[in-house]
Amino acid sequence: AQSVSQHNHHVILSEAASLELGCNYSYGGTVNLFWYVQYPGQHLQLLLKYFSGDPLVKGIKGFEAEFIKSKFSFNLRKPSVQWSDTAEYFCAVKNTGGGNKLTFGTGTQLKVEL
Amino acid sequence: GAVVSQHPSRVICKSGTSVKIECRSLDFQATTMFWYRQFPKQSLMLMATSNEGSKATYEQGVEKDKFLINHASLTLSTLTVTSAHPEDSSFYICSAPGHRDTGELFFGEGSRLTVL
Repeated sequence: AQSVSQHNHHVILSEAASLELGCNYSYGGTVNLFWYVQYPGQHLQLLLKYFSGDPLVKGIKGFEAEFIKSKFSFNLRKPSVQWSDTAEYFCAVKNTGGGNKLTFGTGTQLKVEL
Repeated sequence: GAVVSQHPSRVICKSGTSVKIECRSLDFQATTMFWYRQFPKQSLMLMATSNEGSKATYEQGVEKDKFLINHASLTLSTLTVTSAHPEDSSFYICSAPGHRDTGELFFGEGSRLTVL
């Protein structure tokens, strides 16, 4: 069975600091990779996704993630965070033979301080 | 983007009663919906896949008689927690693939169940 690990459970940053959230997955086959974000009091929403092609993908609000197949990783990055980025971030993996079933990581709570 | 709505957002019930949670796709049709459960400080755990017109597919370890799922139409799936107990208290979230096959799931706002 596939699994997803997010190493940072809580991250606190000051505005303008750079962000990198780790995500590793365990599955030997072809995968689709996602980062979802949940702002306080709101639905989970898609931040970015990787299906194929350029392993560096750009999402909304200045976020990007890099798929490194050899490391089974899909880390999320943002060069300069804002207070409004305070949210919970979930990495998710879907194996391409498994329909639309997503396996989620445990989430990372990001707090950005002014 | 596509909108998925859940109702109720919060429910408190007595132990032994049953609670129904609705999940609706508001502007698209969903032949498949997914029900997740989220424990505090933990990941979203897939409970079951709801299929319009056929039985739901449950994940290993999920009691199908406990968590009844009915996909009544192309826009509605319901999760009924039967004979609820305090350990069933949790945050339940539904999701559905969008009307375009982008691989993206759209999530409801979640339903917080508290069983006294």
